[in-house]
Amino acid sequence: QQQVKQSPQSLIVQKGGISIINCAYENTAFDYFPWYQQFPGKGPALLIAIRPDVSEKKEGRFTISFNKSAKQFSLHIMDSQPGDSATYFCAASMLETSGSRLTFGEGTQLTVNP
Amino acid sequence: KAGVTQTPRYLIKTRGQQVTLSCSPISGHRSVSWYQQTPGQGLQFLFEYFSETQRNKGNFPGRFSGRQFSNSRSEMNVSTLELGDSALYLCASSPRVSGTKTQYFGPGTRLLVL
Repeated sequence: QQQVKQSPQSLIVQKGGISIINCAYENTAFDYFPWYQQFPGKGPALLIAIRPDVSEKKEGRFTISFNKSAKQFSLHIMDSQPGDSATYFCAASMLETSGSRLTFGEGTQLTVNP
Repeated sequence: KAGVTQTPRYLIKTRGQQVTLSCSPISGHRSVSWYQQTPGQGLQFLFEYFSETQRNKGNFPGRFSGRQFSNSRSEMNVSTLELGDSALYLCASSPRVSGTKTQYFGPGTRLLVL
């Protein structure tokens, strides 16, 4: 029940296209859903995060869509660029009860071709 | 502001040895979490420390331990190393334990057990 399932495992898009990565969770106690971006040799960096009281959050080219009833959330990267090529992780946390503990999805390796 | 720093960056050990990894959080951050990242298991939570106290613990054997000092710096120790302990060990800091917060990850320590 603590798992977060992420798909696809890998994704190839053309420059300017839309990249979509999906995640699903089981534990309804999760109340914080961040997305992290990781480049080779670096630690994950927070990209964008959402709480379940909103259905969408947009920051620049990055948008999180959240469907509470379906227990799913997704990351959309608009106008994808070669510099977006990285591994993306969704995560979930129970902010008030589990502190900083993040449960991560399996990761999606995104390649944006020029 | 300096980011999260981890030392050493790379480490090679043999089975049965023990290892200590160090993490210096961002100045002012009092919460430090540790994660293990492997290709097979992804990112898994090890433990979290806040104000020198372990607040959360993941599902790892007792060979994995940690501590936090009064200056918020943290160390993790793995005793009796096994081949399967080869991984990237990531440290993350955040300013507080509860509420919406961002976790900032360090670059990690890559441990190879031979």
